[in-house]
Amino acid sequence: EIGLTQSPATLSASPGERVTLSCRASQSVSNYVAWYQQRPGRTPRLLIYDASTRASDIPARFTGSGSGTEFTLTISSLQSEDSAVYYCQHYNDWLSWTFGQGTRVEI
Amino acid sequence: EVQLVQFGAEVRKPRESLKISCQASGYIFSAYWIGWVRQMPGKGLEWMGVIHPSNSKTKYSPSFQGQVTISADTSTSTAYLQWNSLKASDTAMYYCVSSNVIVAANVFDVWGQGTFVSVSS
Repeated sequence: EIGLTQSPATLSASPGERVTLSCRASQSVSNYVAWYQQRPGRTPRLLIYDASTRASDIPARFTGSGSGTEFTLTISSLQSEDSAVYYCQHYNDWLSWTFGQGTRVEI
Repeated sequence: EVQLVQFGAEVRKPRESLKISCQASGYIFSAYWIGWVRQMPGKGLEWMGVIHPSNSKTKYSPSFQGQVTISADTSTSTAYLQWNSLKASDTAMYYCVSSNVIVAANVFDVWGQGTFVSVSS
């Protein structure tokens, strides 16, 4: 089973800063990585899929990149509403999904 | 509008049974995989399993195989998650999710608002 390791566990930054979250897979997953945002007390929502494609209505400040085993989510200019836990997820064509343990972003 | 609607909360005692529901609307329910994600208090997201309503084919995460049952009713566009004997460790938020409805990828692109299950004696 493929494992996903996210780092850092917690990230503190100021509004307007650029931040980068990391997700490392235990073996190559091609580009089958998604990112989700879960604001405090809220339902998770899809941000990025296929490693770099933004979902509908996701602001352009969110950028996903990577392939193989190394993936990143970059928030180019942090806003107060970006305070959340961010999860990466591996998916495939064989009905199996794995989440990383999450990175908490504090502003 | 594509939606997954869940009831807010359920309270049960250990060893009791429970079946929670998720009603879909705004898309062809029988055409897409629908499933469940667990989030224990203060913890991360765990995929539990999915079902294809058209033929009731299921796939469970190894961690949840044999622990829960997922079913679906196409006549009411509703998916279910069932326990036969709850444990205190089943206390968690349970999200209903659908895959590949909005985006062309096997990701969880639609989420219900969650049902919190509390199991305590």
